[in-house]
Amino acid sequence: NAGVMQNPRHLVRRRGQEARLRCSPMKGHSHVYWYRQLPEEGLKFMVYLQKENIIDESGMPKERFSAEFPKEGPSILRIQQVVRGDSAAYFCASSHGRGENTEAFFGQGTRLTVV
Amino acid sequence: EDKVVQSPLSLVVHEGDTVTLNCSYEVTNFRSLLWYKQEKKAPTFLFMLTSSGIEKKSGRLSSILDKKELFSILNITATQTGDSAIYLCAVELTGGYQKVTFGIGTKLQVIP
Repeated sequence: NAGVMQNPRHLVRRRGQEARLRCSPMKGHSHVYWYRQLPEEGLKFMVYLQKENIIDESGMPKERFSAEFPKEGPSILRIQQVVRGDSAAYFCASSHGRGENTEAFFGQGTRLTVV
Repeated sequence: EDKVVQSPLSLVVHEGDTVTLNCSYEVTNFRSLLWYKQEKKAPTFLFMLTSSGIEKKSGRLSSILDKKELFSILNITATQTGDSAIYLCAVELTGGYQKVTFGIGTKLQVIP
């Protein structure tokens, strides 16, 4: 059973370009969470998605960031017109449900560098 | 604003030492407290704590939660170089899903 798969592991973008980060949850998991870890800061919640639905995007910046989790395929975190401040590690986690004692498993992250 | 504070920020110990990592929190709608170990890859789950005073143990690691004083500790006994990592404390909020607030982490380095 493969774990949470994120790709690419490293992504370099020039300012103004778009970044697409992919997350394939663990088999059987239909809940996906994205977190951002800025240098010298803790992981911060960005968005929670179930298949085809955004449940909570309260941690997403209002502009340039979007996320989706289509019926088929991975979840995508999209950052348009990237700026230097978007450089961070972006982690995806998945879980099989939302009940008590539901553990989330993390992917290895995508390290985005904006140059 | 929800807050999770970990201390110390970094720690260097020798193999065999025992360490205690601290985590205090101020959040609304507390549901559980989580500990993760983060090496150069994904955070890996260690413990979930929901009740005060009940110690959870896994090998040389143990953790306990005090919901009255709003803190938790993570103990590692007989440390090994493989314990070197960043240890993250996170608080899960009610809402039925993993909306968690993370601390900045404690960077532990175990030297031979």
